[in-house]
Amino acid sequence: KNEVEQSPQNLTAQEGEFITINCSYSVGISALHWLQQHPGGGIVSLFMLSSGKKKHGRLIATINIQEKHSSLHITASHPRDSAVYICAAGGVDDKIIFGKGTRLHILP
Amino acid sequence: DSGVTQTPKHLITATGQRVTLRCSPRSGDLSVYWYQQSLDQGLQFLIQYYNGEERAKGNILERFSAQQFPDLHSELNLSSLELGDSALYFCASSAGQGNYNEQFFGPGTRLTVL
Repeated sequence: KNEVEQSPQNLTAQEGEFITINCSYSVGISALHWLQQHPGGGIVSLFMLSSGKKKHGRLIATINIQEKHSSLHITASHPRDSAVYICAAGGVDDKIIFGKGTRLHILP
Repeated sequence: DSGVTQTPKHLITATGQRVTLRCSPRSGDLSVYWYQQSLDQGLQFLIQYYNGEERAKGNILERFSAQQFPDLHSELNLSSLELGDSALYFCASSAGQGNYNEQFFGPGTRLTVL
């Protein structure tokens, strides 16, 4: 079993739909990161969480430390949100473990 | 533009060769991280340097080595290259030393080993 599991692996939705991507981890963490990788390959950090909830525009990230689970939500999804979303566990041992990513495709 | 630069963008070389990838962090950032992204393994953490010192080590092969120089740029050296080393290599930088700091990613170097 991978130490960081993401679901779903692939997601296709219509423009405007509410999107949820889940991340479960089994290691002790200092922080949980959500990254976005565009089709061209560039990686952008979206959120870094150690507790609670963060919001940036249409994106919301939550984390439940007790359940070792985090979610990334996209409200009013748009075709430009099409990308691979990756969660990464920043371990207490300073190592970083990545999930395999969720490929999101938003249809116009 | 994240402010992190990586050179070269593309590198094509042969098995058994040695290459050096270079990363310049954002101005003011003291930490540099190196990552490998291959099709079968996804993103993997290789190594982190903070202010010139090795801070954390991930799945870095013994054939690979890295260093961070006094001007804070970093180099990743890959030697005795194998076909399986073909991948995208990213560096990222952050202000602090812990992995609870936001990281800014460079555009990556695509390495192809023939």
